[in-house]
Amino acid sequence: NAGVTQTPKFQVLKTGQSMTLQCAQDMNHEYMSWYRQDPGMGLRLIHYSVGAGITDQGEVPNGYNVSRSTTEDFPLRLLSAAPSQTSVYFCASSSTGGNMYEQYFGPGTRLTVT
Amino acid sequence: GNSVTQMEGPVTLSEEAFLTINCTYTATGYPSLFWYVQYPGEGLQLLLKATKADDKGSNKGFEATYRKETTSFHLEKGSVQVSDSAVYFCALISGAGSYQLTFGKGTKLSVIP
Repeated sequence: NAGVTQTPKFQVLKTGQSMTLQCAQDMNHEYMSWYRQDPGMGLRLIHYSVGAGITDQGEVPNGYNVSRSTTEDFPLRLLSAAPSQTSVYFCASSSTGGNMYEQYFGPGTRLTVT
Repeated sequence: GNSVTQMEGPVTLSEEAFLTINCTYTATGYPSLFWYVQYPGEGLQLLLKATKADDKGSNKGFEATYRKETTSFHLEKGSVQVSDSAVYFCALISGAGSYQLTFGKGTKLSVIP
């Protein structure tokens, strides 16, 4: 049982480049989300999904796209990277029933945009 | 909107000292409250939670009590260990059918032998 996995662990991009951060979970969780963590800011929600085919914006969605074609995967796309997107990105998942409040976090992707 | 305020860090304690990290919140309705812990180089893990007023969450020697009258959820541990060195985040979920966590800014704890 791998839990929540994220790839890559580290990435350096130049301004204007695009990339996709991968997130996968093997717990059959309906809810998945992306956060960014910046020094002194805590974690802020970027996008979330309550099931395949359903996504919505969080607190800081600008510059990011998501899609959810399967229950397992929830990739985050940066279409044109900017230095302001330098951050650590965490993916999380949880069930929407039972112990729904326990969210499981991946190990993070550290992104630097130069 | 929802917000969480927790004490600024960093906090440095000697091993076996008493720990308190203050957390207060603003939310609509009756939120569920959480403490998450992030060890160096890792993702966040749920440490404890409380879903209604006067509930006490506890885990690994840590405790926090949901105080509706003071809108607080302070984290305490009677005797910290070096292995407790980490960043601690207070968080809440509020609103029917919501799964969205609102986090505080985090408090870094360092425990020295």
